[in-house]
Amino acid sequence: AQSVTQLGSHVSVSEGALVLLRCNYSSSVPPYLFWYVQYPNQGLQLLLKYTSAATLVKGINGFEAEFKKSETSFHLTKPSAHMSDAAEYFCAVSGNNRLAFGKGNQVVVIP
Amino acid sequence: EAGVAQSPRYKIIEKRQSVAFWCNPISGHATLYWYQQILGQGPKLLIQFQNNGVVDDSQLPKDRFSAERLKGVDSTLKIQPAKLEDSAVYLCASSLDGNPESGYTFGSGTRLTVV
Repeated sequence: AQSVTQLGSHVSVSEGALVLLRCNYSSSVPPYLFWYVQYPNQGLQLLLKYTSAATLVKGINGFEAEFKKSETSFHLTKPSAHMSDAAEYFCAVSGNNRLAFGKGNQVVVIP
Repeated sequence: EAGVAQSPRYKIIEKRQSVAFWCNPISGHATLYWYQQILGQGPKLLIQFQNNGVVDDSQLPKDRFSAERLKGVDSTLKIQPAKLEDSAVYLCASSLDGNPESGYTFGSGTRLTVV
């Protein structure tokens, strides 16, 4: 079964600094990978997804992620953090036409 | 297009009471999912419907949870009787056909507190 691992539940980043959230996947077949963001008291919003096209995927709000098969990774980055990036971020993998999520990273942006 | 609608947004009940949640997916979406998100954890799939049929309910605690999608459109999730550990956000999602290429759209969720 497909699964993803996100380490470090809380991530603190200074405003203007690089945001890096790590995601490693386990899949017996070429995976479809997703990053979602969840703001307080809201549902999940798609940031970006990898569906076996380009390995570098650009998403909304300046985020991007790179699929690396050799490292079984799909890390999320943003060059410069903004206060509005404070939220919870989930990596997910699709298998059997459904999503399996990681535990999430709570991002805190320090002014 | 309208998103996935869920109601109520919040619910507080006492343990052993019953509760029901409602979800209206995006029009034309055949696949509907219910996820449970406990505080500090990622969403966990409870049940997946394809039209009005159940595809996967292996993670649904069937002694207390039930779900239906009778006409293949909106869906209800019920808990009876509720336990303290059922406190969570219940997310509904829909997809055109479940294919990851089609994507998945999530509702805002129902936050359940069991006291």
